[in-house]
Amino acid sequence: SYELTQPPSVSVSPGQTASITCSGHKLGNKYAYWYQQKPGQSPVLVIYQDSKRPSGIPERFSGSNSGNTATLTISGTQAMDEADYYCQAWDTSVVFGGGTKLTVL
Amino acid sequence: QLQLQESGPGLVKPSETLSLTCTVSGGSISSSSYYWGWIRQPPGKGLEWIGSIYYSGSTYYNPSLKSRVTISVDTSKNQFSLKLSSVTAADTAVYYCARLQSTFYYGSGSYYYYMDVWGKGTTVTVSS
Repeated sequence: SYELTQPPSVSVSPGQTASITCSGHKLGNKYAYWYQQKPGQSPVLVIYQDSKRPSGIPERFSGSNSGNTATLTISGTQAMDEADYYCQAWDTSVVFGGGTKLTVL
Repeated sequence: QLQLQESGPGLVKPSETLSLTCTVSGGSISSSSYYWGWIRQPPGKGLEWIGSIYYSGSTYYNPSLKSRVTISVDTSKNQFSLKLSSVTAADTAVYYCARLQSTFYYGSGSYYYYMDVWGKGTTVTVSS
């Protein structure tokens, strides 16, 4: 079965750039999606089709996908961006990464 | 604005069947553009996809849960439902329903699916 691997945690200082990676076999040949989940809340889609932002998602969120790795980048990270982030792909079924806890120190 | 609302018992006994319903409002479940799905999240853990259904009844299931899962749709009520049989404590989780959007990836000639609208989730505890 297809697997996606994320780092368990990433730390960033306010105003700096945070990068969260998601690795999977030939992931660049698929679309990658990213969700943000804050404590006690449902996940929210922040990036679809590798790099597109849904309406209402701030421009500081961006994405890329090439080779075996997709990356979610948050520029000018704010305290409100502290959350768990999950990548997702489709491989005859929905596949999630294990999630990355982003801490804004 | 599309909204999804999960409902069902919050407590299920071991070996019994978990049953949940998702009610869709603000849009039609019979839209040809979407699948509808269930995702769960055990306490303190990550997201796990359970399965999805099209309004016609076509389904996709997580292979690891397929033997215990049934997802059905009732277009007259704008609802879809989840049944998970023979539950154990490991099935304790927050259960979310969601709308799945599809995109066509020309590179592979396949449709890919992702969740663009989520319900608020409902907590189900498996305990005697």
